[in-house]
Amino acid sequence: SQELEQSPQSLIVQEGKNLTINCTSSKTLYGLYWYKQKYGEGLIFLMMLQKGGEEKSHEKITAKLDEKKQQSSLHITASQPSHAGIYLCGADGVGNFNKFYFGSGTKLNVKP
Amino acid sequence: DTAVSQTPKYLVTQMGNDKSIKCEQNLGHDTMYWYKQDSKKFLKIMFSYNNKELIINETVPNRFSPKSPDKAHLNLHINSLELGDSAVYFCASSQDILGGTYEQYFGPGTRLTVT
Repeated sequence: SQELEQSPQSLIVQEGKNLTINCTSSKTLYGLYWYKQKYGEGLIFLMMLQKGGEEKSHEKITAKLDEKKQQSSLHITASQPSHAGIYLCGADGVGNFNKFYFGSGTKLNVKP
Repeated sequence: DTAVSQTPKYLVTQMGNDKSIKCEQNLGHDTMYWYKQDSKKFLKIMFSYNNKELIINETVPNRFSPKSPDKAHLNLHINSLELGDSAVYFCASSQDILGGTYEQYFGPGTRLTVT
């Protein structure tokens, strides 16, 4: 089965600092998704990556899928308290597009 | 105009009771899902329905039964609730794109607490 590992599990940074969250798959990724969950709220879709080497940005968040399509990184520049939350990567199941896998999540705290 | 809605948002009940969580999506999507998020924040898929037909049925106790009266609704009924059922349950939907990828839209979650 597809497995997604996220690192780090938790992260505390000072406001204004940059940070990176990684998502590594045991198999080739055909669709990699980044979500954010705020405490007590549902998941918010951030970005979807499909092609090797693809990079997308939204405000101060940039996500990239490596050329081999087995690892994705989420980079936040000049972090703010509003970035705090749980970041989840998700991926389509290989050979079964109706199955979807999630990573274990990275809990981010941003200290003002 | 909430895309994917779940009711209730919070549910506190005693062991042994039967309860249902409702999910509705107004996106016209073909596929709906139920996920369980445990205390470690890990999300695990439970069921997936495509046009009212069960597509994915992961290893979950028989006490959990999904019901899809139409493709806009996917309800989750839980019999004989146990302490270990306490979790946040997320409903999601996606457009079924054959051979392609898709994005899932999630509901706000239902926090179930079994005492």
